[in-house]
Amino acid sequence: DAMVIQNPRYQVTQFGKPVTLSCSQTLNHNVMYWYQQKSSQAPKLLFHYYDKDFNNEADTPDNFQSRRPNTSFCFLDIRSPGLGDAAMYLCATSRDWQGGSQPQHFGDGTRLSIL
Amino acid sequence: AQSVTQLDSQVPVFEEAPVELRCNYSSSVSVYLFWYVQYPNQGLQLLLKYLSGSTLVKGINGFEAEFNKSQTSFHLRKPSVHISDTAEYFCAVSGGSNYKLTFGKGTLLTVNP
Repeated sequence: DAMVIQNPRYQVTQFGKPVTLSCSQTLNHNVMYWYQQKSSQAPKLLFHYYDKDFNNEADTPDNFQSRRPNTSFCFLDIRSPGLGDAAMYLCATSRDWQGGSQPQHFGDGTRLSIL
Repeated sequence: AQSVTQLDSQVPVFEEAPVELRCNYSSSVSVYLFWYVQYPNQGLQLLLKYLSGSTLVKGINGFEAEFNKSQTSFHLRKPSVHISDTAEYFCAVSGGSNYKLTFGKGTLLTVNP
């Protein structure tokens, strides 16, 4: 089945130690998104790619970076994780923009813990 | 700017009872509306969407929602819930110049035996 796959499902890192989360998709969608979701809250968009064009949300900390080397893969890099970065990180895709009519398809997320 | 208000943060119900999860939105342009479900430690799964046409939208797992433009609402309903419906439900809106999703804060549906 076509899907969005996130690895690993659970990630533990140390305070200040860089960490990378990965996302792959077999849907061949143009748009890929990264969300941060803290406990009992709605997902918060960090950034997204339309093909290779990167779009950062205004309030996304500089500590968060992203790479999309090809259509299928997207990475989230946290350069110096702080305790406040502990959260679930969700990757999503959509086929295109089309005014927002395209639904987003989500992976199962990576739960990041900071020691 | 768009916004979504989910009127109930938690909804407890008994198994086989009907349920309605309420969602109101605010937008100055035509919108697209979505309901997503999130089971514990999983990502979001699309339940249903309203893009245009019939205001009654049927989705997966027996859920349906009705778009009401005059009341700017998109309430989610199910006539008989199961224990397995226990999850967080998010209403979301997009449209116009804003192609990104704006989520509500979520409603935790707990189905008790």
